[in-house]
Amino acid sequence: QVQLVESGGGVVQPGGSLRLSCVASGFTFGNFGMHWVRQAPGKGLEWVAFLQYDANDRAYADSVRGRFTISRDNSENTLFLEMNSLRGDDTAVYFCAKEQKGNNDGSGSHFAWDCWGQGALVSVSS
Amino acid sequence: QSALTQPASVSGSPGQSITISCTGTASDIGAFNYVSWYQQHPGKAPQLIIFDVSNRPSGISDRFSGSKSGTTASLTISGLRAEDESDYYCTSFAHNPPRREFGGGTKLTVL
Repeated sequence: QVQLVESGGGVVQPGGSLRLSCVASGFTFGNFGMHWVRQAPGKGLEWVAFLQYDANDRAYADSVRGRFTISRDNSENTLFLEMNSLRGDDTAVYFCAKEQKGNNDGSGSHFAWDCWGQGALVSVSS
Repeated sequence: QSALTQPASVSGSPGQSITISCTGTASDIGAFNYVSWYQQHPGKAPQLIIFDVSNRPSGISDRFSGSKSGTTASLTISGLRAEDESDYYCTSFAHNPPRREFGGGTKLTVL
């Protein structure tokens, strides 16, 4: 079945760095745009970043632009989020999410996410 | 402060219908038919229930429906059931720069 599994979360000091991974299975990873979405404790969802299926286009939320980098390795079915200069307000569960429509699909939407990982907790604290 | 505005909470009795609104601007909801809705139970990942304003993914009950008028999208749940009690989020594509925006979420209580 379609599955996304995040890893790499943990506790980091303010100003530190962390790299999240999201391993995909059950679908042709290289055909789908991927996103990171986060959720601070007790708060709502916040979109973080997008990476096109072939890595030729990407976008970031204003809150992370210049500090976070999204990348992917299609040969390893893996999405990454490199997080630098971490701040307390980056504390959240980070979800990776798959776009519903693939590069060569006729159905669904590029603007909806039909599969999410279980989330990785990132805690920024001294 | 979320880019899209949702009511913090709504409630209804079993069997009733409720509607959750999601208000944006001419740069997001008003400009594109790319509104989607997600249901999120506590401690779980969100689940897609409506995409492109009014389309249901396979496996989602037809008790869930979506619509849009101008800069406001709406999610309606009919025939409320206890298992519908959850948090609901809307999201939309926006441009200049291209991004995704979320509503702040609505907690649905089934009385």
